[in-house]
Amino acid sequence: AQSVTQPDIHITVSEGASLELRCNYSYGATPYLFWYVQSPGQGLQLLLKYFSGDTLVQGIKGFEAEFKRSQSSFNLRKPSVHWSDAAEYFCAVGAQGAQKLVFGQGTRLTINP
Amino acid sequence: NAGVTQTPKFQVLKTGQSMTLQCAQDMNHEYMSWYRQDPGMGLRLIHYSVGAGITDQGEVPNGYNVSRSTTEDFPLRLLSAAPSQTSVYFCASSSTTGGNGYTFGSGTRLTVV
Repeated sequence: AQSVTQPDIHITVSEGASLELRCNYSYGATPYLFWYVQSPGQGLQLLLKYFSGDTLVQGIKGFEAEFKRSQSSFNLRKPSVHWSDAAEYFCAVGAQGAQKLVFGQGTRLTINP
Repeated sequence: NAGVTQTPKFQVLKTGQSMTLQCAQDMNHEYMSWYRQDPGMGLRLIHYSVGAGITDQGEVPNGYNVSRSTTEDFPLRLLSAAPSQTSVYFCASSSTTGGNGYTFGSGTRLTVV
């Protein structure tokens, strides 16, 4: 069965600093991979997705992620964070194509001014 | 486009009561899912559906029932509420290709006392 691990429960970075959130997945076939963001009290918003092709994908709000098959990873990056990026971030793997998503436990991002 | 609409937004139930959480989407998506979100556990899949008349269990199906009589609607029934079902519930939908990822509703916050 597929699974997702986000090793960092909570990360704090300073505004303007770079960010990398880690995601490792387990899935036997080529995965569909997603990153979602959730602001407090809100639903989930899709940041970016990877299905195939170029392993570096660009998303909204200046985020990007890189798929590394050899490491079973799909880490999320942003060169310079803004205070509005404070939120919880979820990595997810799609099983059987897009039929169902399995989520990681999430990483809470705090931004220091 | 309304997207994915969940009702109600908040609900308090007494132990043993039953209720139905409503979910409707207007994007003609084939795939629909129900998740529950609990602190530190990410989103866990309760049930999912790949089309009208077809449903399957996810990771935590016990105590919940679903049916999918139309493409648009995917209600979640709590048969006999328990305090362990206190959670935030999210409904989501996707096209069969998953091209735009899953679209999430705004959630239902359920408290069982």
